[in-house]
Amino acid sequence: DAKTTQPTSMDCAEGRAANLPCNHSTISGNEYVYWYRQIHSQGPQYIIHGLKNNETNEMASLIITEDRKSSTLILPHATLRDTAVYYCIVRVVSGAGSYQLTFGKGTKLSVIP
Amino acid sequence: DVKVTQSSRYLVKRTGEKVFLECVQDMDHENMFWYRQDPGLGLRLIYFSYDVKMKEKGDIPEGYSVSREKKERFSLILESASTNQTSMYLCASSLEGGGGYTFGSGTRLTVV
Repeated sequence: DAKTTQPTSMDCAEGRAANLPCNHSTISGNEYVYWYRQIHSQGPQYIIHGLKNNETNEMASLIITEDRKSSTLILPHATLRDTAVYYCIVRVVSGAGSYQLTFGKGTKLSVIP
Repeated sequence: DVKVTQSSRYLVKRTGEKVFLECVQDMDHENMFWYRQDPGLGLRLIYFSYDVKMKEKGDIPEGYSVSREKKERFSLILESASTNQTSMYLCASSLEGGGGYTFGSGTRLTVV
């Protein structure tokens, strides 16, 4: 799977949008972008994933650049409960290697009151 | 609506003991995984299974084995626990072909 680069930490004011960037410049055509988050002392939680098009669900929006070399996870109105480590992962979803999910260090997002 | 259940939240075992960590999922997922998480090292894949009785080694399988006799249950076994296996252990499951992984709450194992 392609490697990803994320900032180590970010702050966001409560109620504002949190924009978390991820660089995946070596992504290949059959790799999806996944986002997870891990709140302290809990297991990681799936947020969203996408291939080419932007995606939105009840938790967040995912914006993928046209060249697919980077993406941004957007939490539209951050709350204190969104304080967590956010992981950006790229992986294939079929064929060899499709089972493994490789986590990097992620971005520690702190939502400030 | 708990979907992936790990049998224990906290566990303390002695060096040399045989340890079983149990994981059950109720989503009829084909794939199940065991990770360990350590400060500074992130999550590392120990073993995974894509079908009943099937297993594959992950990145750090040494000192561990697994068992999957039923689709919903995936067990991690430490044959002879050692202090360097003190860690947070996380179980996850997913559907075949992608989609999100669902994780359990984790078992914090301490080997003394």
